[in-house]
Amino acid sequence: NAGVTQTPKFRILKIGQSMTLQCTQDMNHNYMYWYRQDPGMGLKLIYYSVGAGITDKGEVPNGYNVSRSTTEDFPLRLELAAPSQTSVYFCASSSRLGTIYFGEGSWLTVV
Amino acid sequence: RKEVEQDPGPFNVPEGATVAFNCTYSNSASQSFFWYRQDCRKEPKLLMSVYSSGNEDGRFTAQLNRASQYISLLIRDSKLSDSATYLCVVNMGNYGQNFVFGPGTRLSVLP
Repeated sequence: NAGVTQTPKFRILKIGQSMTLQCTQDMNHNYMYWYRQDPGMGLKLIYYSVGAGITDKGEVPNGYNVSRSTTEDFPLRLELAAPSQTSVYFCASSSRLGTIYFGEGSWLTVV
Repeated sequence: RKEVEQDPGPFNVPEGATVAFNCTYSNSASQSFFWYRQDCRKEPKLLMSVYSSGNEDGRFTAQLNRASQYISLLIRDSKLSDSATYLCVVNMGNYGQNFVFGPGTRLSVLP
């Protein structure tokens, strides 16, 4: 009963390093999303995908890249990490008008 | 005007109290509506979908008024375990790509 799985759960990066947050879902959802949530704040959409091979920017895409080569996987790439990217990152998936399901989150600290 | 607005909170209520949360949304063409619950340092989880006819799940009742673009959540007989942040979520897109999250209302149920 996996749902949405994202890794790693915790990571500390140095300024300028790069990394990829992995996300996979087993619900055969076409739609996948990456959000970030800063302490005490709401969710902000970084990127989303409506199907394999199709991605689009959300509200806060700068400093991030995504790819969607399969229905199941939607990795988020952070290039040249900056302290402003310290946040909790949530991957999510949904069907067209259905419920959105979230992974457990990835806590990222950039020092 | 923000796309989805909620009561600012926090709400501090005693056990057994009834508490109501309000949410308004800006896009009259919005397709689907949800209440999510988010515990501290956890991912948002679906509490209930919201239908035009209103719906109830145990102690929780959700209402939707499309004419007023207003959604509500009523919690009766509050429990300590109801303490969380409640997120109003509106799907404003036709193709599942536009879930808009409200900022959340924090509830603390006190013994």
